[in-house]
Amino acid sequence: DGGITQSPKYLFRKEGQNVTLSCEQNLNHDAMYWYRQDPGQGLRLIYYSQIVNDFQKGDIAEGYSVSREKKESFPLTVTSAQKNPTAFYLCASSMTAGTEAFFGQGTRLTVV
Amino acid sequence: AQTVTQSQPEMSVQEAETVTLSCTYDTSESDYYLFWYKQPPSRQMILVIRQEAYKQQNATENRFSVNFQKAAKSFSLKISDSQLGDAAMYFCAYRSGVPNAGNNRKLIWGLGTSLAVNP
Repeated sequence: DGGITQSPKYLFRKEGQNVTLSCEQNLNHDAMYWYRQDPGQGLRLIYYSQIVNDFQKGDIAEGYSVSREKKESFPLTVTSAQKNPTAFYLCASSMTAGTEAFFGQGTRLTVV
Repeated sequence: AQTVTQSQPEMSVQEAETVTLSCTYDTSESDYYLFWYKQPPSRQMILVIRQEAYKQQNATENRFSVNFQKAAKSFSLKISDSQLGDAAMYFCAYRSGVPNAGNNRKLIWGLGTSLAVNP
């Protein structure tokens, strides 16, 4: 079945460590996105990519990095520079000419 | 810059009744898209309904319909015959329809409305 797969569902990280969240899609979508969701703050855009080998910072990119080497994959690295990384992270994708964003099931990251 | 406002942090409805969730937005563009997304306790974001600004007819998907008032910049969601499975966070979102605008695939989100359905 076509869709977006995020892994893992739950992730624990020690302070000071980098961690990478996986996002894979088989919808043949050009655009992919990473959002962070905190209670009471809705969704905030971290990074997005409109085509392979290209990506732009969103509203809260500090402390995060991404790569887009393949159309299907858009991994997000949460670096030790991110001051408050504990959050729920959602990956999404959309067609070039389309409008809807389709979402993965999310990854809950907890820093311990 | 575009903004989306959901003025109702929480709503509740009795099972089988009808409820309307409010959303207003601000934009200077004439071409855009509006969406309602549902986020159940599983936390996966699910598209409920979408509306193209150039269409005057209100979108409908089964028990879900919208009241799109372009001049008033209002986009409310009506849920008819509410079911227990409708309990979720509901988010309103905006996307520019301007071609080749650098950020035109970005979604602008409201803060959400938490809907409880009482049996």
